[in-house]
Order: sequence, then structure tokens, then C-alpha cells
Amino acid sequence: GAVVSQHPSRVICKSGTSVKIECRSLDFQATTMFWYRQFPKQSLMLMATSNEGSKATYEQGVEKDKFLINHASLTLSTLTVTSAHPEDSSFYICSAVHTIAGGYNEQFFGPGTRLTVL
Amino acid sequence: QQPVQSPQAVILREGEDAVINCSSSKALYSVHWYRQKHGEAPVFLMILLKGGEQKGHEKISASFNEKKQQSSLYLTASQLSYSGTYFCGTEQGPDSWGKLQFGAGTQVVVTP
Repeated sequence: GAVVSQHPSRVICKSGTSVKIECRSLDFQATTMFWYRQFPKQSLMLMATSNEGSKATYEQGVEKDKFLINHASLTLSTLTVTSAHPEDSSFYICSAVHTIAGGYNEQFFGPGTRLTVL
Repeated sequence: QQPVQSPQAVILREGEDAVINCSSSKALYSVHWYRQKHGEAPVFLMILLKGGEQKGHEKISASFNEKKQQSSLYLTASQLSYSGTYFCGTEQGPDSWGKLQFGAGTQVVVTP
């Protein structure tokens, strides 16, 4: 399957600082990428849809000013958690959409970033 | 709307079979299955497309009943490596751009 990388894999930061997470599709171009967060033993919660060349679309309840998304190119999307607080500690996972024959969309996940805010 | 997965958890002995179900209250365009191991990101297993086409993963198979709006994942002759949490993700239509709604997950434990 297609490969998606995410960096960093782990980050620990102090409360009030900002953290940037990068998501890259390594062997295909992705017009659309998604950002999820996952709490322990829970399902994936979609935060936002990142579209290359346009503004991100945020799910209900997700603060767009707190979680800044930039889809700078067809292979890179970044999520910046601004003024992070302990309640933002979570596992953040990105995915990239790969369109296959017939117009169907496969979604491949990055390895995730574990954010801990002290 | 989030699909409903069942069972919540299943414990198997190596070599046994299991079925995981995923059902939706809305018409489905495609169903995607993933397996996630503890502390790792989900790994793509399979996509089932409207019209019956499917792209699979080794010894794991699945079905997609469009009329009933449900999909089942079959773990046949389970191996220890099958342990993990299985998620189904459903796509509502071609204009959803791959946006998936994920079920709550089914935890599978395969014991020797």
C-alpha cells in the first residue's frame, strides 16, 4: 500500500507552547488529507479535512484557531496545535487519500504523533 | 453518522474463526477495514466497493451487503498476528472525497 509519514512521532511540550506536526504522502500525491485524534481505547475522531490549495474544513466542535492546518503541497499537510494545554494531549493521526481506478478513495494513515502537554 | 460495530470484543484461540460486523443506517458507497495495534496507527486491510468489487489483504476476507447497508470481516484460521482492534470506516458517497465515519472498534485477542 501507499506510504504516509508523520513527524514527529512523539513530542512533549510545556503548556502554552505551539507544536507543529507534519504529514507527508511519500509515493503518491494527495489532494485531500485528514487529521484525527484518538484517545486511549477509543475510535478515531475526525478533526478536519485538509485540502491542497484551499482552507481546511473543520468538524463540529473543533476550534479552527487552535488547530491550524496548512496543506502546502500535494504531499504535505501540517497541523499546528497552538497554545497547547494538558487536555490537548492525545494521539494525532493523519491520513492521505489515494484515488484508485473507478474513482474510489483509499485512505492510508501515518504512524501517528503522541503529544504530551505538561 | 457513525457505523455500529459488533461484537465489541472477541477472544480466539489460534486457528479459530471470527466474524466482525459493521452496519450503517445510511446507504453506503464503500466500506474500509483497518486493524490497529496498541500505540500504532491503523493499517489498511481492505476496501469494499459498491457493486461488489473488493481489494483484500492476505487471508482476511470481507463481504458488503449494499441492501442491508452492512459489511462483515472474516478472520479465518486466525493467527497471533491478527490480534488488535479492528475498525470499519464507511463512506457515504463519491463526493465525500474519502471522508470516513469510523465505528467504535472491535478488539480481537488471539491466544496460543
